[in-house]
Amino acid sequence: QKEVEQNSGPLSVPEGAIASLNCTYSDRGSQSFFWYRQYSGKSPELIMFIYSNGDKEDGRFTAQLNKASQYVSLLIRDSQPSDSATYLCAALNQAGTALIFGKGTTLSVSS
Amino acid sequence: NAGVMQNPRHLVRRRGQEARLRCSPMKGHSHVYWYRQLPEEGLKFMVYLQKENIIDESGMPKERFSAEFPKEGPSILRIQQVVRGDSAAYFCASSPRTGENYGYTFGSGTRLTVV
Repeated sequence: QKEVEQNSGPLSVPEGAIASLNCTYSDRGSQSFFWYRQYSGKSPELIMFIYSNGDKEDGRFTAQLNKASQYVSLLIRDSQPSDSATYLCAALNQAGTALIFGKGTTLSVSS
Repeated sequence: NAGVMQNPRHLVRRRGQEARLRCSPMKGHSHVYWYRQLPEEGLKFMVYLQKENIIDESGMPKERFSAEFPKEGPSILRIQQVVRGDSAAYFCASSPRTGENYGYTFGSGTRLTVV
């Protein structure tokens, strides 16, 4: 069973700090990885994706991928209370037919 | 530019009844995915469909669950003879094509409650 693992949290950071969210995956055939944000009672929203080793930046968000270690992370700079949500890491399966999601990490940003 | 449309938003069914969940993908999207989310659980993949074809149903329970995406009309997820354990949020997502550069856009979900 191919899996994506995340620490459930909660991860608590003060406003303005950097939040670091981590994820590991078991399917070495996965090539693309996605971060989604989900507010309570709402649907997941795509933040960004990454498929090359290294860093990818988009505004306050930076995704990092290390395929050798099967590790993906998301950094949120200058965290805001509005960033408080559950962050879902997902890996595209080798067949390219499904995103496999972790259970998510709950982030709480205090003002 | 409507997003992924799901209806109904909330559905209550008695045990043994049938539930039909509908999903219209975003305009220009021909790939549809169904996911189930239980309380405190992650999103679980159920099925991936293109028009008139089921591409990957590896996440579908073997019994009582079926999905279709007809040539005309929305995709339907059908649950026969519902049981309390089927109570969950069911999300539909769509994408313009498959591949490493395409994330899925999710609908607002259908919250199914079985009483």
